[in-house]
Amino acid sequence: KAGVTQTPRYLIKTRGQQVTLSCSPISGHRSVSWYQQTPGQGLQFLFEYFSETQRNKGNFPGRFSGRQFSNSRSEMNVSTLELGDSALYLCASSFGQGNEKLFFGSGTQLSVL
Amino acid sequence: DQQVKQNSPSLSVQEGRISILNCDYTNSMFDYFLWYKKYPAEGPTFLISISSIKDKNEDGRFTVFLNKSAKHLSLHIVPSQPGDSAVYFCAATSWEYGSRLTFGEGTQLTVNP
Repeated sequence: KAGVTQTPRYLIKTRGQQVTLSCSPISGHRSVSWYQQTPGQGLQFLFEYFSETQRNKGNFPGRFSGRQFSNSRSEMNVSTLELGDSALYLCASSFGQGNEKLFFGSGTQLSVL
Repeated sequence: DQQVKQNSPSLSVQEGRISILNCDYTNSMFDYFLWYKKYPAEGPTFLISISSIKDKNEDGRFTVFLNKSAKHLSLHIVPSQPGDSAVYFCAATSWEYGSRLTFGEGTQLTVNP
């Protein structure tokens, strides 16, 4: 059974640009969550999608957005990139039933110059 | 407001000895707790979890203890192995939060041969 797949693995962008990250969940999983990890910080929750609807949202500005497709694949978009957006962005999938473990992808390392 | 805290940024133990990683939480709504292991530039890997209806859960070398009255949990690794060297994250959630996990800051465990 394939794990959570994130693409691309690495990205380098400049301030002001926008970026789209992709996540393919484990087959059968309907929930996809996104997390941001910056140096010295824990993992910060961005948002969760379940059956194509945003079910939960963290405390991030509106420049961070996402969507989920009918096949449960998800994309995350960051517009007007800032230097502070440089981070490891992690996608996690689960059945979405609550109180269950999440399976994480390897992440997309985004560098904003 | 840091609802999940890991007060020890690092821990160093000798191979074969016990490793004890600690975690405190403040949100009384949390009723499901997880431990993840993470290597740099990779996604977290699930280790073990515990529901608030239990106070102990074991899986091989890993045991998690939950003290609800103290809002404290700990992860015991016995015996510790050099391959256990990684960052360990404590996470918490509740049915009301769907697939949203709140993570601690992490503890860097180093197991010396």
